[in-house]
Amino acid sequence: EPEVTQTPSHQVTQMGQEVILRCVPISNHLYFYWYRQILGQKVEFLVSFYNNEISEKSEIFDDQFSVERPDGSNFTLKIRSTKLEDSAMYFCAAGGDRREPTYEQYFGPGTRLTVT
Amino acid sequence: AQKVTQAQTEISVVEKEDVTLDCVYETRDTTYYLFWYKQPPSGELVFLIRRNSFDEQNEISGRYSWNFQKSTSSFNFTITASQVVDSAVYFCALSEAYDNAGNMLTFGGGTRLMVKP
Repeated sequence: EPEVTQTPSHQVTQMGQEVILRCVPISNHLYFYWYRQILGQKVEFLVSFYNNEISEKSEIFDDQFSVERPDGSNFTLKIRSTKLEDSAMYFCAAGGDRREPTYEQYFGPGTRLTVT
Repeated sequence: AQKVTQAQTEISVVEKEDVTLDCVYETRDTTYYLFWYKQPPSGELVFLIRRNSFDEQNEISGRYSWNFQKSTSSFNFTITASQVVDSAVYFCALSEAYDNAGNMLTFGGGTRLMVKP
């Protein structure tokens, strides 16, 4: 199975601080996603990214959030001023292979963000 | 709007029992994709299966099988002869497919399966 990697695996930050979560998706894939999972709850879609721009975003993805793929490999999620309720597991996913269309989304191992 | 419901929040079985995890979905689209993911205690999301809305054939993969019934908007997952390693949270998800591959997944609330030895 293709591999998506994420760093760091765990990030602790103070309320109001900025955090950047990093993802290295599979190189052939075209679509990139961020999802989050608050502890014990379901996985929620945040944003999708295609052709260097946001293609879809949820209500959760407000002005505090931003995404970019600055160097064509890393895909980042930035939270500008973290709040306690941002504490969650953040998953990056990749899908849509250049060689073969696919609807699978391959998830990274997640970054656990703890806001204190 | 799309919605996925997993009514069973937690199931406990004894090893070797068969268990079925239920998934019911809502969508206005005629073309969509259904998925199952496994989340073991380590936390990652492991892809198990994808089905498209035009393919209602049931699928079997080893001890896993899936029953897709469009008439009842259900996509149930059965584990035969369960093992302790099957203990995990299982998520059903839906994607409405209006373009090639880039659509968000809507997840159900998950079912925590505990398999006891």
